[in-house]
Amino acid sequence: AQSVTQPDIHITVSEGASLELRCNYSYGATPYLFWYVQSPGQGLQLLLKYFSGDTLVQGIKGFEAEFKRSQSSFNLRKPSVHWSDAAEYFCAVAAVSDSNYQLIWGAGTKLIIKP
Amino acid sequence: DGGITQSPKYLFRKEGQNVTLSCEQNLNHDAMYWYRQDPGQGLRLIYYSQIVNDFQKGDIAEGYSVSREKKESFPLTVTSAQKNPTAFYLCASSIRRGSEKLFFGSGTQLSVL
Repeated sequence: AQSVTQPDIHITVSEGASLELRCNYSYGATPYLFWYVQSPGQGLQLLLKYFSGDTLVQGIKGFEAEFKRSQSSFNLRKPSVHWSDAAEYFCAVAAVSDSNYQLIWGAGTKLIIKP
Repeated sequence: DGGITQSPKYLFRKEGQNVTLSCEQNLNHDAMYWYRQDPGQGLRLIYYSQIVNDFQKGDIAEGYSVSREKKESFPLTVTSAQKNPTAFYLCASSIRRGSEKLFFGSGTQLSVL
């Protein structure tokens, strides 16, 4: 069965430090992969997506993610975090079969920024 | 500005009561979705609609109902049959089902009195 795992429930990073949020997926075919960000009490916003091609994808707000098929991973990175990056981050995989399309979500990682 | 509007932001339900959460979009999107979000869990799909007058159950449809009489509107009713309704409810839309980008509303927090 398809699944998405975000191993870290919380991550604390100092402002200006680098960030990596982990995402592992289980899916038989080539996945469509997404990262979304949710600020407190708000809806989700798409940061970036991977469908095919270059395995390093650039997103908004200075984020990037790298698809590694051999590790079934799609980790999110940012070289230098800002206090405004404090939010919850969700990884998702789109499972596509015939005419069925389903988004499967990870449980989220809460990013805390230390001043 | 185009977007998705959910109301109310906070809602309280009494035992045995049905409540309706509003979701309106002016993005001209065909597909709309309702998700439930619980702490420490990923989003779970309640219902989705690919087109007006059509909707399909998601993974956790029991205790919920929807309608899609207009393209812009996709209200969700939490019925008395939903025994654990306390959660954050998110409405989303996309150009079509299977489109890669979802646009989300700002959510409704439903609590039981």
